[in-house]
Amino acid sequence: DAKTTQPTSMDCAEGRAANLPCNHSTISGNEYVYWYRQIHSQGPQYIIHGLKNNETNEMASLIITEDRKSSTLILPHATLRDTAVYYCIVSASSNDYKLSFGAGTTVTVRA
Amino acid sequence: DTAVSQTPKYLVTQMGNDKSIKCEQNLGHDTMYWYKQDSKKFLKIMFSYNNKELIINETVPNRFSPKSPDKAHLNLHINSLELGDSAVYFCASSQVFSSGSNEQFFGPGTRLTVL
Repeated sequence: DAKTTQPTSMDCAEGRAANLPCNHSTISGNEYVYWYRQIHSQGPQYIIHGLKNNETNEMASLIITEDRKSSTLILPHATLRDTAVYYCIVSASSNDYKLSFGAGTTVTVRA
Repeated sequence: DTAVSQTPKYLVTQMGNDKSIKCEQNLGHDTMYWYKQDSKKFLKIMFSYNNKELIINETVPNRFSPKSPDKAHLNLHINSLELGDSAVYFCASSQVFSSGSNEQFFGPGTRLTVL
């Protein structure tokens, strides 16, 4: 069962930053926050993950609140190819190895 | 080079048949997974193998039998296929670190249609 809450959908203008929120108020101390996305008809793609600190890579930035009960994925300059379903997942491999996918946020980037 | 590959990409078969889906990863990972994505688009874990040993077996009918001949391969065999087995099946792999981080890499999926 998914332990996260995300908006069902959101639109974003091409070239603008897309900020995707996620609530995970019951997160445990050893659980990471992962973000994946699934572009239509493709396999899910790993984006980024974090435990406590904010993280940045070539795809996105992850901002985790100090109490770790919520996070925001930031796509700095959205392109049409970023249109996808974005999944926020909390998971600790010390408990199990699985990722529990929820419904995610359908992000549509518009020209 | 494809990191996680699956064959076939599409599989159309009749009810009652037995079929297999193959998965291979060239990332040197020690853990592999099978996920099922149904028509409502929810992705659910089915199985996970770590170093050829089964570590996750969700409530999947025993008509589904995973087999891991080595760390780089995890195949899924399905007996007596039913209409409800129609779905997209994704294979994934990861290297679980002592820190607990578990970044999974997914294959392109196999779309199974049971008629």
